[in-house]
Amino acid sequence: EDQVTQSPEALRLQEGESSSLNCSYTVSGLRGLFWYRQDPGKGPEFLFTLYSAGEEKEKERLKATLTKKESFLHITAPKPEDSATYLCAVRLVNYGQNFVFGPGTRLSVLP
Amino acid sequence: ETGVTQTPRHLVMGMTNKKSLKCEQHLGHNAMYWYKQSAKKPLELMFVYSLEERVENNSVPSRFSPECPNSSHLFLHLHTLQPEDSALYLCASSPLAGEWTGELFFGEGSRLTVL
Repeated sequence: EDQVTQSPEALRLQEGESSSLNCSYTVSGLRGLFWYRQDPGKGPEFLFTLYSAGEEKEKERLKATLTKKESFLHITAPKPEDSATYLCAVRLVNYGQNFVFGPGTRLSVLP
Repeated sequence: ETGVTQTPRHLVMGMTNKKSLKCEQHLGHNAMYWYKQSAKKPLELMFVYSLEERVENNSVPSRFSPECPNSSHLFLHLHTLQPEDSALYLCASSPLAGEWTGELFFGEGSRLTVL
């Protein structure tokens, strides 16, 4: 069964305290791994797409990396405005419009 | 403004009511999706409309009925819902080819409460 898990479920950081979020996946065929940010009461907002092991993408304080079985979202020197839920999703080979989402990591950055 | 607009943003309904959620996308995409987001659960794909072909998650109860009259509009018709159907319903759109790198474009969601 295609499955995506994320850890930790929740993470509290002090402003400036760097850390990483994990996304692990077990899927029959991967066509891309996606990271989204979701603020309370809003829809997810796209951050990154990763396609192959070893690939990295960066945007401001965020950096996403991909291996054969997992992805990491590294947050460097976070600010309170980085507080959100971060969702990981995989796109499956067998059907291009089918995305399996993880449950998310709820990040709180305290000033 | 995400280019995907959902109405209403909040809806409270009784179990015997019939209501509809509406989604409109202004991005020129040709695939539209309904996702359900329940507390502490992953987003669950309910329906996809892609080039007028519908794909559905077989676990979605028949009390949810989608309609896609054209590539810009998507509806989710609701009838005789249960309290466990209370959730955030998210609409998304995407292109299907060209420069698309696979991401979905989400609306802000319709928060549904079933009493």
